[in-house]
Amino acid sequence: DAGVIQSPRHEVTEMGQEVTLRCKPISGHNSLFWYRQTMMRGLELLIYFNNNVPIDDSGMPEDRFSAKMPNASFSTLKIQPSEPRDSAVYFCASSQQGLISPLHFGNGTRLTVT
Amino acid sequence: QQQVKQSPQSLIVQKGGISIINCAYENTAFDYFPWYQQFPGKGPALLIAIRPDVSEKKEGRFTISFNKSAKQFSLHIMDSQPGDSATYFCAARGGDTGRRALTFGSGTRLQVQP
Repeated sequence: DAGVIQSPRHEVTEMGQEVTLRCKPISGHNSLFWYRQTMMRGLELLIYFNNNVPIDDSGMPEDRFSAKMPNASFSTLKIQPSEPRDSAVYFCASSQQGLISPLHFGNGTRLTVT
Repeated sequence: QQQVKQSPQSLIVQKGGISIINCAYENTAFDYFPWYQQFPGKGPALLIAIRPDVSEKKEGRFTISFNKSAKQFSLHIMDSQPGDSATYFCAARGGDTGRRALTFGSGTRLQVQP
């Protein structure tokens, strides 16, 4: 099992540019989560999907952020236009159905917006 | 609203000592409380978890103590080792709407000195 795969590992972009982060969950997992990690705010939930359907997007900061899950094996998080305050590490995680199923995190994408 | 409060922010322990990290929660509907361990450049990984119907759970050197009436839980690391140096996050899951995403504490950076 390769685990949750995120790409790219690092992204450096200029303010105003579009950024797309990608995630491949663990096969068989039907819940997918996007988190953002910063020193100031810790780990924040942005959005999560269950069976490819967005369930809770209340953590998405604003309309510049959007997430999609077109199928069970792929999800994207898009920021358009990006701003310096979006600089953070973005994590994708997946889990199986069930309250006590653990979240399996990818190694994250470190985004720097200059 | 910070629903899970974690302390201390950082902790230095001598090798062989006991590391203790505390968390408090507000939402009484939470019904699953995991601890995650994160090494630099990696995503968080599940360490140990507890349900509120038990007061303690032990796995090797790691123990969770849970106090439902006080809405507090803690992680104890016995015989702390330099390899335990990492950031630890408490978390909680559940809620009125059956929310499956985890709400994380702010993290504790543990340093175990040899």
